[in-house]
Amino acid sequence: GENVEQHPSTLSVQEGDSAVIKCTYSDSASNYFPWYKQELGKRPQLIIDIRSNVGEKKDQRIAVTLNKTAKHFSLHITETQPEDSAVYFCAARGLGQNFVFGPGTRLSVLP
Amino acid sequence: EAEVAQSPRYKITEKSQAVAFWCDPISGHATLYWYRQILGQGPELLVQFQDESVVDDSQLPKDRFSAERLKGVDSTLKIQPAELGDSAMYLCASSLGTAGNTIYFGEGSWLTVV
Repeated sequence: GENVEQHPSTLSVQEGDSAVIKCTYSDSASNYFPWYKQELGKRPQLIIDIRSNVGEKKDQRIAVTLNKTAKHFSLHITETQPEDSAVYFCAARGLGQNFVFGPGTRLSVLP
Repeated sequence: EAEVAQSPRYKITEKSQAVAFWCDPISGHATLYWYRQILGQGPELLVQFQDESVVDDSQLPKDRFSAERLKGVDSTLKIQPAELGDSAMYLCASSLGTAGNTIYFGEGSWLTVV
């Protein structure tokens, strides 16, 4: 089955700097890759997603890139703000239609 | 904005007792998921329904966990008997279908087994 790895597990950046989180997946048939943000005690919320026929997608300060050949995708957050502090999860969905999540990255934006 | 509803939000139970969680997906969403999230980890799928049918329950500990979605709308996840290691957040999620659709999570049900 699908296996998703995520790095780093923790990330601290200064406010205004950029943050990058990378995920790798194992199933070459996976075709949909969402990113979720989870604040303490709250539900995971979708922040951006990308499908396998697209290499990059951007939404304001957030972007996701996908490299199908290398089977990895990355979340890029520019001009980070304290409210970006949270745990971020990547996920991949393959032919089995099941979403497999990475272990998460705890992002801390320091003022 | 439509949301996935879950109850209860918090549950404390003694080990060996039974516990049940309820989920009402977003209206019209055919696919319903139950995930378990242990503190500090990513969500792990327990069971996936397509309408009233189970699509994937390979990670569901069937000796103690059961799930049903009898009319293809709301769903119940039951644990009997509960064990200390079951302490986690149980997240319900739903999507329109399975072909590339985003999944939306409920607020989750926090379970503490003492």
